[in-house]
Amino acid sequence: AQKVTQAQTEISVVEKEDVTLDCVYETRDTTYYLFWYKQPPSGELVFLIRRNSFDEQNEISGRYSWNFQKSTSSFNFTITASQVVDSAVYFCALSERSSGTYKYIFGTGTRLKVLA
Amino acid sequence: DARVTQTPRHKVTEMGQEVTMRCQPILGHNTVFWYRQTMMQGLELLAYFRNRAPLDDSGMPKDRFSAEMPDATLATLKIQPSEPRDSAVYFCASGLPGSSYNEQFFGPGTRLTVL
Repeated sequence: AQKVTQAQTEISVVEKEDVTLDCVYETRDTTYYLFWYKQPPSGELVFLIRRNSFDEQNEISGRYSWNFQKSTSSFNFTITASQVVDSAVYFCALSERSSGTYKYIFGTGTRLKVLA
Repeated sequence: DARVTQTPRHKVTEMGQEVTMRCQPILGHNTVFWYRQTMMQGLELLAYFRNRAPLDDSGMPKDRFSAEMPDATLATLKIQPSEPRDSAVYFCASGLPGSSYNEQFFGPGTRLTVL
């Protein structure tokens, strides 16, 4: 069965530190999609990135970068030079093509606290 | 800037009362999802619709929960009768036509408290 594990429940860093949020997934599909969402204190989930299983290129967007490794079934998220505004809960999610649906399997989330 | 809207944003009610939560998906999105978020269970998918038809509501307690899409611009989630354990934040999300590839756009949520 598909599963998404975010082992880090909560992380605290001091502003300007780099931080990596881990995401490990399980799936039997060869075609699947991975996502990261941010949930700031306001509550609304905000889409950050999508990656399909055939594209293992890492991606960088400003201070954010993502490392997708199929060999270890991981899709980790790194924030460089963290800022207080990065404080939020971050969710990793998996969607499988074979399911024929748009269903996400969400991880339990990692709460990131960036201290000034 | 297109957004998913949800009403009400907050609802406090007493056990046994009926609760109706509403969602307006982004225009042009043909998939709609209802999630529940609690500290204990995290984000749970309750139901989802494609082209207004319910495709999966296996995550929803059938005896008291119901979800409908009367039209393409409105999705509703109803709890009758409500119980204290239903206290949670309920999110609606919508997505573009297409495969599992597309991201879901979330609304701000309805925070429900059942006393």
